[in-house]
Order: sequence, then structure tokens, then C-alpha cells
Amino acid sequence: GAVVSQHPSWVICKSGTSVKIECRSLDFQATTMFWYRQFPKQSLMLMATSNEGSKATYEQGVEKDKFLINHASLTLSTLTVTSAHPEDSSFYICSARDPASFSEQFFGPGTRLTVL
Amino acid sequence: AQSVSQHNHHVILSEAASLELGCNYSYGGTVNLFWYVQYPGQHLQLLLKYFSGDPLVKGIKGFEAEFIKSKFSFNLRKPSVQWSDTAEYFCAVNGGATNKLIFGTGTLLAVQP
Repeated sequence: GAVVSQHPSWVICKSGTSVKIECRSLDFQATTMFWYRQFPKQSLMLMATSNEGSKATYEQGVEKDKFLINHASLTLSTLTVTSAHPEDSSFYICSARDPASFSEQFFGPGTRLTVL
Repeated sequence: AQSVSQHNHHVILSEAASLELGCNYSYGGTVNLFWYVQYPGQHLQLLLKYFSGDPLVKGIKGFEAEFIKSKFSFNLRKPSVQWSDTAEYFCAVNGGATNKLIFGTGTLLAVQP
């Protein structure tokens, strides 16, 4: 099946710094990728939809200036958490939609962000 | 707005017991329905999906789910669970023209050997 990777898998940063998380589709081209946030013992909450070559669409309540999304190619989307604070600590998961597999999303392994 | 509810947050079963996890959604139009599984330390994997046709859907690892439109439900079942089924299970839905997936809160299944 389609494979999605994320890098890094775990990152610790100081408050006020920025962190970039990469999401790659390894064996297919993804025109659409999604970014989710998962709190401990809770479900995945969609943050934004990332479309190749255009601006991301953010869900209500998600600060677009804080969570910068770039989808510069058909296999790479990046999420940058700017000026991170401890409340941004979470598990960030990306998924990619394979156009050959109607409506199915393939998920990356996630990135655990800890802000000190 | 679409929403998904999973009634069982934590289920504990013995091996060979039967499993049924509830999932209800709210959306008035045509929906696509999914069950995902997340094994400890691993990423989300698709168990099964329903788009149209036979409302009884068979997935991987012996799982199945039944779409009952009148009840807005898509319950997951397995006749005999194994210890290796210990994982968290998420029901998800997308509807209309959007590709967005809305997830339920998840059910943590622990199977005792």
C-alpha cells in the first residue's frame, strides 16, 4: 500500500523557537495532504488541508500564522510551528490522499513535539 | 456539521470473545465510512471502508462492519478476538464533496490472553 513518512518522529524544543515537520508520500503523488493533531487519549483533530501549489485551508480555531503549511511539491508538505509554546506540545500526524485510491487517506507515523 | 461518536472508550475482553464497537455519525447526505486501527507505537492503518453497495463490509484481520443507514451507524465486529488485536480503534466519516475525515474519539481495546 501507499506509504507516508514523517520527519522527525520526535522533537524537543525551547519555548519561542520554531519547529518544522515534514510529511512525504513515498510511492505516490499526493495533491492533497492533511495535518492532524492528537492530544493524549483523544481523537485526531483536523488542523488543515494542504493542497499542492496553493494555500492551505485551515479548520476553524486553528491559527494559520502559528501553524504554517507549505505544500511545494506533489510528495512533500511541511508544517512549521512558529514561536512554539508548551501548549503546542502534542502529536502531529499527516495523511496523504492517493488519487488512485478514491477517498482513502494514508497516514504517517506521527511526530511528537515537546516544547519546554 | 459532521460528527462521529464512539460509545465505548475502553473495552477489555478475553481472547476468543466476540467484539462489537459502536459508531454513530451525524450527516444528512451521502457518506463514506472508515474504521482505522492504531497498534501501540504504530501509525493509523485502515481496517475497512464503506463507500456504497453491500452494507456489510469485510476488512483485514477478520474484522467486518455493517452500515445501517436508518440508524446512522457503522459498528465494527469481530467474532473472536486475539491478544494481537489490542489497539485503539477509530471510526471516521467524510461526506459530501469534502475529503476531510472526521474522527470519533477512539476505543481502546485490551485483549487479555
